Amino acid sequence: AQSVTQPDIHITVSEGASLELRCNYSYGATPYLFWYVQSPGQGLQLLLKYFSGDTLVQGIKGFEAEFKRSQSSFNLRKPSVHWSDAAEYFCAVGGSGGYNKLIFGAGTRLAVHP
Amino acid sequence: GAGVSQSPSNKVTEKGKDVELRCDPISGHTALYWYRQRLGQGLEFLIYFQGNSAPDKSGLPSDRFSAERTGESVSTLTIQRTQQEDSAVYLCASTLLGTPQETQYFGPGTRLLVL
Repeated sequence: AQSVTQPDIHITVSEGASLELRCNYSYGATPYLFWYVQSPGQGLQLLLKYFSGDTLVQGIKGFEAEFKRSQSSFNLRKPSVHWSDAAEYFCAVGGSGGYNKLIFGAGTRLAVHP
Repeated sequence: GAGVSQSPSNKVTEKGKDVELRCDPISGHTALYWYRQRLGQGLEFLIYFQGNSAPDKSGLPSDRFSAERTGESVSTLTIQRTQQEDSAVYLCASTLLGTPQETQYFGPGTRLLVL
């Protein structure tokens, strides 16, 4: 069965520090992988996605993620975090059934210290 | 409209009552998804509609849950005889074609509280 694991429930970083959010997935075929961000009072917004090609993908707001098939991972990174990045981040895998039914991880809540 | 809209934004109900949640997808989007997000958890897939095809109901947790969509328009999610464990945020999303690589555009959600 497909599943997504985000090992870190909460992460706190200082503004300007680098960030890496972990995501591991279980999926039988080539996965479609997504990172979404959910800010307080706002809906889910797509940061980036991967489904083929270059394994390092760039997204909005300075985020990037790297697909590593050997590790079944799709970790999200940002070189320098801003206070406005404080939010909840969800990794998801899709593609089951030939359409985009997304299986989400439990999320990682990011706090940013000034 | 410009984005996916959902109503009501908040709903408080008593255990045992029925509730109806509404989703207006982005105009022209043929695919529509419902998800549930319990407190502190990720989203759980509930149901998927694609045009006039039979919906994928594989995520509905019980027969108290049902959803309808007419063509490519509004969808309603109905929960009958609500239970406290139904308390959650219900999110709707839409995509143009329903293909796996498309971005899903999410609405703001309906926060349901069952007392």
